[in-house]
Amino acid sequence: SQQGEEDPQALSIQEGENATMNCSYKTSINNLQWYRQNSGRGLVHLILIRSNEREKHSGRLRVTLDTSKKSSSLLITASRAADTASYFCAVPRGGAGSYQLTFGKGTKLSVIP
Amino acid sequence: DSGVTQTPKHLITATGQRVTLRCSPRSGDLSVYWYQQSLDQGLQFLIHYYNGEERAKGNILERFSAQQFPDLHSELNLSSLELGDSALYFCASSVGSGKLGSANEKLFFGSGTQLSVL
Repeated sequence: SQQGEEDPQALSIQEGENATMNCSYKTSINNLQWYRQNSGRGLVHLILIRSNEREKHSGRLRVTLDTSKKSSSLLITASRAADTASYFCAVPRGGAGSYQLTFGKGTKLSVIP
Repeated sequence: DSGVTQTPKHLITATGQRVTLRCSPRSGDLSVYWYQQSLDQGLQFLIHYYNGEERAKGNILERFSAQQFPDLHSELNLSSLELGDSALYFCASSVGSGKLGSANEKLFFGSGTQLSVL
C-alpha cells in the first residue's frame, strides 16, 4: 500500500513558535496532500503539492516536497493555540496511477498558549 | 461546514448486530469514499464509489458492504459486529473519478459516525 508516514507522532510547542512535521512515502506519486483534524472531527484539506513542485505556501503554511527522498514537510509558522490538531499527509493509493488517498497515523500538534 | 453529511453522529450497538451508516456527498460530487479511523490502525481506506459504481476496495472486511444510490448518497453496512469494529467512520466526497490526471482531487470529509460496539 502507498501510505504516508508522519514524523514526529506528537509535537508540543509554545504559541508563536514554528512547527515542522514530516512525511515519508514509498513509491512515486503525482501529488501529496496535507490535512488537519481537530479532535474527533472530520479532516480538512490544507494544501496539495504536485510532484513537479518543490515548495508551496498557503498563509502560514509552507509545504515542501522532495521526490528524490520521497518526503514532504509541513511548516506552520507563528503557531496559535487554534492550530492544535492532528496533521496528516495523504498520498494516492497504489502509486501515481490511482487516486484513493491513503493517510498516515498523523502528527498530533499541541500549541501551548 | 464541508457540505458532506453523515448520519447518525453516534451509534451504540451490541456484538453480532448490523448497522447502516449514511453519507450524503457535497452537491455535485460524484465520488464517495469511506474511511475507518481507530487509535491503533489510524485512518484506513475502505471503499470508493463513483457515480454509483464501485471503483476500489481497501481494507474492507467481508462483513462490511457499501453502495451508492442514484441520488449519489451512500450507505456503509456493517454486520456481525465485533468489539474491534468500534471506530470513527468517515465519508468523504470529491468531484472527480479518482483516475490518473485528477490532480485537484482534494477530499471533503463529513464529521463522522462514532460507532461503539459493546
